[in-house]
This record gives sequence, C-alpha cells and structure tokens, in this order.
Amino acid sequence: DAGVIQSPRHEVTEMGQEVTLRCKPISGHDYLFWYRQTMMRGLELLIYFNNNVPIDDSGMPEDRFSAKMPNASFSTLKIQPSEPRDSAVYFCASSLPGTSDNEQFFGPGTRLTVL
Amino acid sequence: SQQGEEDPQALSIQEGENATMNCSYKTSINNLQWYRQNSGRGLVHLILIRSNEREKHSGRLRVTLDTSKKSSSLLITASRAADTASYFCATDDYKLSFGAGTTVTVRA
Repeated sequence: DAGVIQSPRHEVTEMGQEVTLRCKPISGHDYLFWYRQTMMRGLELLIYFNNNVPIDDSGMPEDRFSAKMPNASFSTLKIQPSEPRDSAVYFCASSLPGTSDNEQFFGPGTRLTVL
Repeated sequence: SQQGEEDPQALSIQEGENATMNCSYKTSINNLQWYRQNSGRGLVHLILIRSNEREKHSGRLRVTLDTSKKSSSLLITASRAADTASYFCATDDYKLSFGAGTTVTVRA
C-alpha cells in the first residue's frame, strides 16, 4: 500500500487566493483526519470524517476553511480566501479503528505558504 | 485544547544513552499513544498503551502509564542517531489530542 497520499507537497500562494489541498487515505480505512501544524500552536485537529461523513469540525478555524469527502478515497481541504496566518503544514491521516493499535497513518503533509 | 503535554520540550543526548520523556494529561483516557515525527515528515505511530496496562515494551521502547497521576513516560534505550526526532503523546480513540512534543537530538 502506498500509504496516505497528499498533494501538493508544497504550495506557495498569495493572500486572497483559493487553496485546495488533497488527500487519498489508505484503502479500507474509514476514518480520515485533517491536521494543521505550526510552531506556535503545535498539531491541531481541524476536522475528521467517518465513512465520508464529517463527524467533528470544531477545530476548523473559521468559515474560510471547508473540507469535503465525496467518496472513500478522496478528501479536500479548501481555504478561501487564504491569509498569511494560514501558513502551516497540513497533514491528512487515516485509520481503521478496531485494528490492534487503533493507530492513525499520516501522510507526508502539504507545506502551505501564503504571502 | 491539547490533552497531552510532553516534558521536557527538548532533550539532547549522546548516542548509546537512554532518552526519557514524559506526558501528562488532564482527563480520563481509554488509551494513550506515542508518535514520532522526523523533520519534514508526517507522524509515525510507535506504541499504544491501554488504560488497564501499566507498562509496555516494543523493541528499544518502553512505555509506562500511571492513570492515578495521569502521566505516561516513553523510554528509548541505547539511542541511535536515527532516533533524532520529535515525539508526541496523544490521548483518546478517534479524535487524538496531541501535545507540543519533545524534540530529541541524539549526538554521534
């Protein structure tokens, strides 16, 4: 298995532009998580899905952020309009609870820079 | 809000030495997990300890859990340069809450 796949790996954009981050979870995993990591705030859970349905989006910072999971193999995190304070590394993770260690498998992350 | 809080924030040791880091949390848990993050990479799961367990081993890793003190420790024995990374504890089952991490540097 290729693991969790994220694209792009790096994104540089200008303030006000729309940014779309993409994630392909591990096949068969029914939970998908979006995290944001910064030096100041550490690793924050933004939203997670179960069977393509958003379960908890309380970590989404504001209405500029939205996430979708149209099918079991694809999810997007969109920021519109983007702001410099959105600069961070965004991670996607997936899991299959009920397995021995209930671990989350993380993608390599997307490093977003908003100028 | 972050559930797990690691201590110390940073640790520098010589290759071959042991590294110990601690995690404290606030509320009751079902299990606690430890993850490692190498620079520029995603997190990798290391080990999970359940609330009814007190100690668990995996290779050079030893994890303890004291639910009365709401704390856990991760010990890495005979450290190697490849152990240089940040280590995070996380609590709960589905919605993991991560601490700020302990950055470990292993000097050759």
